[in-house]
Amino acid sequence: GDSVTQMEGPVTLSEEAFLTINCTYTATGYPSLFWYVQYPGEGLQLLLKATKADDKGSNKGFEATYRKETTSFHLEKGSVQVSDSAVYFCALKGYGGSQGNLIFGKGTKLSVKP
Amino acid sequence: DTAVSQTPKYLVTQMGNDKSIKCEQNLGHDTMYWYKQDSKKFLKIMFSYNNKELIINETVPNRFSPKSPDKAHLNLHINSLELGDSAVYFCASSQPGQGMYEQYFGPGTRLTVT
Repeated sequence: GDSVTQMEGPVTLSEEAFLTINCTYTATGYPSLFWYVQYPGEGLQLLLKATKADDKGSNKGFEATYRKETTSFHLEKGSVQVSDSAVYFCALKGYGGSQGNLIFGKGTKLSVKP
Repeated sequence: DTAVSQTPKYLVTQMGNDKSIKCEQNLGHDTMYWYKQDSKKFLKIMFSYNNKELIINETVPNRFSPKSPDKAHLNLHINSLELGDSAVYFCASSQPGQGMYEQYFGPGTRLTVT
């Protein structure tokens, strides 16, 4: 079945460091891909998304490119801030009987130190 | 205005009790979901309803019963609570047909079973 694998955390960075969180997927067809962010004590918020190969999603300085050849959707940010500390989830939209169903990776906790 | 709301935010109860968590969305979406997030932050779909009709029912014990009185509400009733039910439960909604199936999440309900 469809699945998402993302790098395990926690990831600890200093402010202004470069961030990469790896995400790879297994799916039939051409799934839509998402990154969600969960700030402490809150629900998940959509961070960015991509629907087809080579699409680049971007938001708040974060970027991710849909790479079909490597089945990857790595999240990057050039200069992280303390306020970026959160748990980041990679997800894909499932197919078949799972109408609108999202399949999530296990989440990567990011801590940014001043 | 809150898009997806859940009540209560915290719920502490004893084993064997029956409890309910309520969810409401004011986005006009047709599809609603329940997710369970365990202590390691892993998110898993439990149920999905489209216009009050059950679409997804993952491998969830019969003690969990979703109820959708109308398409803006999806409540989760849990019978005979067990220690392993302790988790954060998230409600979400989306609108199929808009391509991206972006899901909007509620703030979560932290359930603690003692």
